[in-house]
Amino acid sequence: KAGVTQTPRYLIKTRGQQVTLSCSPISGHRSVSWYQQTPGQGLQFLFEYFSETQRNKGNFPGRFSGRQFSNSRSEMNVSTLELGDSALYLCASRASGGTHNEQFFGPGTRLTVL
Amino acid sequence: AQTVTQSQPEMSVQEAETVTLSCTYDTSESDYYLFWYKQPPSRQMILVIRQEAYKQQNATENRFSVNFQKAAKSFSLKISDSQLGDAAMYFCAYDFFISSGSARQLTFGSGTQLTVLP
Repeated sequence: KAGVTQTPRYLIKTRGQQVTLSCSPISGHRSVSWYQQTPGQGLQFLFEYFSETQRNKGNFPGRFSGRQFSNSRSEMNVSTLELGDSALYLCASRASGGTHNEQFFGPGTRLTVL
Repeated sequence: AQTVTQSQPEMSVQEAETVTLSCTYDTSESDYYLFWYKQPPSRQMILVIRQEAYKQQNATENRFSVNFQKAAKSFSLKISDSQLGDAAMYFCAYDFFISSGSARQLTFGSGTQLTVLP
């Protein structure tokens, strides 16, 4: 079974631009979560989607948004990019949102904002 | 709010030796899971081991085992017979049900960078 995939793997943008990152979960997984990893703040939860609905959101500004499609693939969007948005963005999928199933992570998208 | 603390930013161990990574957490919940994830230089986050809070028995996965002390809110990872491939950043993580339905999120510690010396 294929793992979680994320595209693109690397991205360079300039301040003020917007960016869309994509995540394809493991087949059959309906829950997708996004995390931001930076040297200063560590790993922080962005949001979780389950069956096309956002169920939980972390403490990030409204510039960060996401969505999930009927095939469970998810995208996250960051508008009006700031230098501080430079980070590794990790996507994780889980088989079910209601049980203690572990999350499986993708390889991440490295975003650099210049 | 739940917090996870890893007080050892860096650790080193000689190949074939044993090392223990520390983790403490703070929660008022009784139902939760704890995880150790490994992140090698490739940045791929890999699950090492998990522990259910309701289980008294410590989890074990081959050379990896945990010492789970629920009352003390402590969750340490022991790596036996360390191998060069064990070198990575190790993150302790807490997983809980939040109040809104069955939504979930992982709360991570700051990580411990493990170096394995040949």
